Amino acid sequence: EVVLTQSPGTLSLSPGERATLSCRASQRSSSSYLVWYQQKPGQAPRLLIYGASIRATGIPDRFSGSGSGTDFTLTISGLEPEDFAVYYCQQYGSSPFAFGGGTKVEIK
Amino acid sequence: EVQLVESGGDLVQPGGSLKLSCAASGFTFSNHGMNWVRQAHGKGLEWVSYISATSGTTYYADAVKGRFTVSKDNAKNSLYLQMNSLGAEDTAVYYCARDGSSYYGMDVWGRGTTVTVSS
Repeated sequence: EVVLTQSPGTLSLSPGERATLSCRASQRSSSSYLVWYQQKPGQAPRLLIYGASIRATGIPDRFSGSGSGTDFTLTISGLEPEDFAVYYCQQYGSSPFAFGGGTKVEIK
Repeated sequence: EVQLVESGGDLVQPGGSLKLSCAASGFTFSNHGMNWVRQAHGKGLEWVSYISATSGTTYYADAVKGRFTVSKDNAKNSLYLQMNSLGAEDTAVYYCARDGSSYYGMDVWGRGTTVTVSS
């Protein structure tokens, strides 16, 4: 069973700054199975990135994903006001399809 | 418009049962696997269950195995989650989410339905 650990728990940044979010897996996982979601308060999650680095339909190119093996990263190159939210990684390759604990990106 | 709408959430006593539904529209439901994901208030996302497109494969989180049963009716474009032996730890918003058929990820989500387990 793959356990995902996200860090930091909270990231306090200003609009325009770069955000770097980490997701570490307890065992090696194919990058094909690593997914990132964004969730805003009171809303359902939204698919951002799949296959570790492929943006989902309609996702702005300021969002990028990278990584392989056990270490994966979500980068937001310049934070827009609408990007302040909670971000979750998930491994979707083998059951259980666990989520990480989430990183909250808040306005500094 | 591609849409998922959950229903069936309610207040239920500990030890009770509840059946959630998820109505799909705007896409070919029979081509997609489906998931249930839950979120306790103020907490993170917890994957609950998966069912394949034609119901041949099901998976469950350890926390619900033996108590929850996922099913899918492609003729009715509907997904279900039968929940038995409910406890306070099952209190959460329950989302249904579509499996992206050509990649790994959940690409369409409903707005969720709330289950509260309390006496």
